Amino acid sequence: GENVEQHPSTLSVQEGDSAVIKCTYSDSASNYFPWYKQELGKRPQLIIDIRSNVGEKKDQRIAVTLNKTAKHFSLHITETQPEDSAVYFCATETGNQFYFGTGTSLTVIP
Amino acid sequence: DAEITQSPRHKITETGRQVTLACHQTWNHNNMFWYRQDLGHGLRLIHYSYGVQDTNKGEVSDGYSVSRSNTEDLPLTLESAASSQTSVYFCASSARPLNTEAFFGQGTRLTVV
Repeated sequence: GENVEQHPSTLSVQEGDSAVIKCTYSDSASNYFPWYKQELGKRPQLIIDIRSNVGEKKDQRIAVTLNKTAKHFSLHITETQPEDSAVYFCATETGNQFYFGTGTSLTVIP
Repeated sequence: DAEITQSPRHKITETGRQVTLACHQTWNHNNMFWYRQDLGHGLRLIHYSYGVQDTNKGEVSDGYSVSRSNTEDLPLTLESAASSQTSVYFCASSARPLNTEAFFGQGTRLTVV
């Protein structure tokens, strides 16, 4: 089955700096790559996703890049704000299942 | 508005008891999933269903079962609760095809004592 690895597990940045979270996957058939944000005590919610026919996607301060050849994708958050503090999960979809990374706890220091 | 809800939100039970966690969605989604969330493990798939009468085992299905008698509900049953099943459980649903957003319930925090 698919193996999704996510790094780093924890990340602290100063407010206004950028944050980058990276994921690798093993199944070349994976074709959908969502990112979820989970605030403390709340449910995971989709913040951005990308499909395999696209290399990069942006939504305001958030962007995702995908390198299908190398089997990795990354989440980029620019101009971080305290409300960006949360756990972020990457995921892939293959074989009609979602596979999640183990999460990155992001702390934005005011 | 469409939604997905779980009940109860918190549950404490004793070892050996049978426990059922409810999941109800009004999205009319065919796909429904149960995950458990534990520190250091992220979200691990317990069981999933692609439609009525369809159920499948995920990577951590031992000790759990599900049934799908209608589109809206996928209850998760712990046959004989064990302390290792203390966790936060999330239900999720998504439309077909699967390469679209999954919507999560609020989660159920289960403690087995």
